Amino acid sequence: GAVVSQHPSRVICKSGTSVKIECRSLDFQATTMFWYRQFPKKSLMLMATSNEGSKATYEQGVEKDKFLINHASLTLSTLTVTSAHPEDSSFYICSFPDSQETQYFGPGTRLLVL
Amino acid sequence: DAKTTQPPSMDCAEGRAANLPCNHSTISGNEYVYWYRQIHSQGPQYIIHGLKNNETNEMASLIITEDRKSSTLILPHATLRDTAVYYCIVRVGGGNQGGKLIFGQGTELSVKP
Repeated sequence: GAVVSQHPSRVICKSGTSVKIECRSLDFQATTMFWYRQFPKKSLMLMATSNEGSKATYEQGVEKDKFLINHASLTLSTLTVTSAHPEDSSFYICSFPDSQETQYFGPGTRLLVL
Repeated sequence: DAKTTQPPSMDCAEGRAANLPCNHSTISGNEYVYWYRQIHSQGPQYIIHGLKNNETNEMASLIITEDRKSSTLILPHATLRDTAVYYCIVRVGGGNQGGKLIFGQGTELSVKP
């Protein structure tokens, strides 16, 4: 299957700081990719659809000014959690669809806000 | 996208076949059935998908009923490394804008020695 990488794999930050998470597709290009988050013992929740060259589409209840998404190229998208607070602590996962529209997920980034 | 229903948990003996059911009674004609699994603290892993025909790959087999209202994922010889949460997801195919996946609670499969 396709390979998607995320960086960093885990990050600890102080409350009020911003954290940037990178998601990169190593095998294919995509104009659209997706960001999810997962709280402990819960399922994945779609946060937003990242569109290359245009604004991201956010799911209901996700603050677009707090979770900044930049789809810089066909193989790279970044998620910036701005002014992070402890309740933003979560497991953030990205996915890229291949040409057959099968989505491949990154390994995830575990964020802990103190 | 149609909603799916899966049992919250299942056990399977190592070496035996694991049969994971999924109900999707409101599935539409253009919706595919996808299966993913998530091993603890990792990103989800694609397993298999199908529209109406049964499918098989190196990981698993997917059996879809004729009316498409339910399906079964079969891991033919389960190993301890197959212990994971398995998600059955139904979504429309065609075009990246329809590609987002909505995850339910999945089935937590425990493979025991």
